[in-house]
Amino acid sequence: EVQLLESGGGLVRPGGSLRLSCAASGFTFSRHAMHWVRQAPGKGLEWVSSISGRGDYTYSADSVRGRFTISRDNSNNTLYLQLNSLRTEDTAFYFCSRSFGVLVGAEGGWFAPWGHGTLVTVSS
Amino acid sequence: QSVLTQPPSASGTPGQTVTISCSGTSSNIGSNSVHWYQQLPGTAPKLLIYSNNQRPSGVPDRFSGSKSGASASLAISGLQSADEADYYCATWDDSLNVWMFGGGTKLTAL
Repeated sequence: EVQLLESGGGLVRPGGSLRLSCAASGFTFSRHAMHWVRQAPGKGLEWVSSISGRGDYTYSADSVRGRFTISRDNSNNTLYLQLNSLRTEDTAFYFCSRSFGVLVGAEGGWFAPWGHGTLVTVSS
Repeated sequence: QSVLTQPPSASGTPGQTVTISCSGTSSNIGSNSVHWYQQLPGTAPKLLIYSNNQRPSGVPDRFSGSKSGASASLAISGLQSADEADYYCATWDDSLNVWMFGGGTKLTAL
């Protein structure tokens, strides 16, 4: 069974940092692009960042570019998101998800499955 | 503000057919496949329709998707109370090199 399990969320002060992890199992991790998507409480889904299967291509939303860094460890089947210079508006549930294919863009296809999410709260 | 435009809400009585629209541009929906996600209250999103009109295994055939030009639609026939959820369209934008989600549509069974 394909499983994705996020961890690393918590309460952090504005300007602080966190590293989120997503442990993958049940599939060949390196054959799939991976993504982070967030959802502020009561709001819609917002794509955050994506990384190709080999980790050689990454893309990020304008709202996080330069502050968040996506990476992956294919030897340990784990996806990461380093969150720096956090702002109150970054408060959200952060979900990791798998692409159908190895590429990040349209060719990589749809996102499935999704993890259950980890909550990041940025507050003073 | 989402670049993919969805109505914020939709509703119908049990048994009815409800349609949710998703409007984009030539660089996103007009160029790439649209995928739909269902998010039941308090849960993570789940893939509902992929590649415009394909259903993953386990998704009832009451759910169908279509695309024409820069717009896409999700239709739910035989509406059930269990279908009450938020629905999101998504696609890749070739000009911006980003994934986009619609703002989401909250479906209510009256």
